[in-house]
Amino acid sequence: EPEVTQTPSHQVTQMGQEVILRCVPISNHLYFYWYRQILGQKVEFLVSFYNNEISEKSEIFDDQFSVERPDGSNFTLKIRSTKLEDSAMYFCASRNRESGELFFGEGSRLTVL
Amino acid sequence: AQKVTQAQTEISVVEKEDVTLDCVYETRDTTYYLFWYKQPPSGELVFLIRRNSFDEQNEISGRYSWNFQKSTSSFNFTITASQVVDSAVYFCALSANTGNQFYFGTGTSLTVIP
Repeated sequence: EPEVTQTPSHQVTQMGQEVILRCVPISNHLYFYWYRQILGQKVEFLVSFYNNEISEKSEIFDDQFSVERPDGSNFTLKIRSTKLEDSAMYFCASRNRESGELFFGEGSRLTVL
Repeated sequence: AQKVTQAQTEISVVEKEDVTLDCVYETRDTTYYLFWYKQPPSGELVFLIRRNSFDEQNEISGRYSWNFQKSTSSFNFTITASQVVDSAVYFCALSANTGNQFYFGTGTSLTVIP
């Protein structure tokens, strides 16, 4: 079965550094998402992306965050200046046009020191 | 508005016992999908099942079974003859055809004691 792949699986960074998390969605999917899960907490919606623009974002997704699909295959989440509270597992997901079914990647664990 | 409620925060059972994880959802959409994911200590989300709103048939897969009841807006998950490897956090989730989001419940942490 096709899958969503994410890199890196784990990244450790210093506070204030920029981080880019990468995702390769399933190839015929058109809608892309990032979710975040702080350790021990709920999985929270960050942002959805369709037709090369953000279609919806949560309160968490402030000016420090950005997303792009630079080359038609990768879907990236950038955090410009990381804070300690950005430490979390970040999940990428994608879906096709017809279905509400979301396919999740295995997650990228970000640790901010 | 869409919402998923998992009232059980933590459950402990002894190995070989059966356990049911509850999930209640809210949505105004007539077309929607329900999911269960397992999150082991390693952190990844492991897909278990998806169900669309038009298919109320219960499903069994090995020791796992799911009971979807639209009348009570519930999608409960039962593990039969639990094993230590079943210890994980289990999330129920809802996706509707309107809107973009995928709504997770708060998760139920299952501990199976040997």
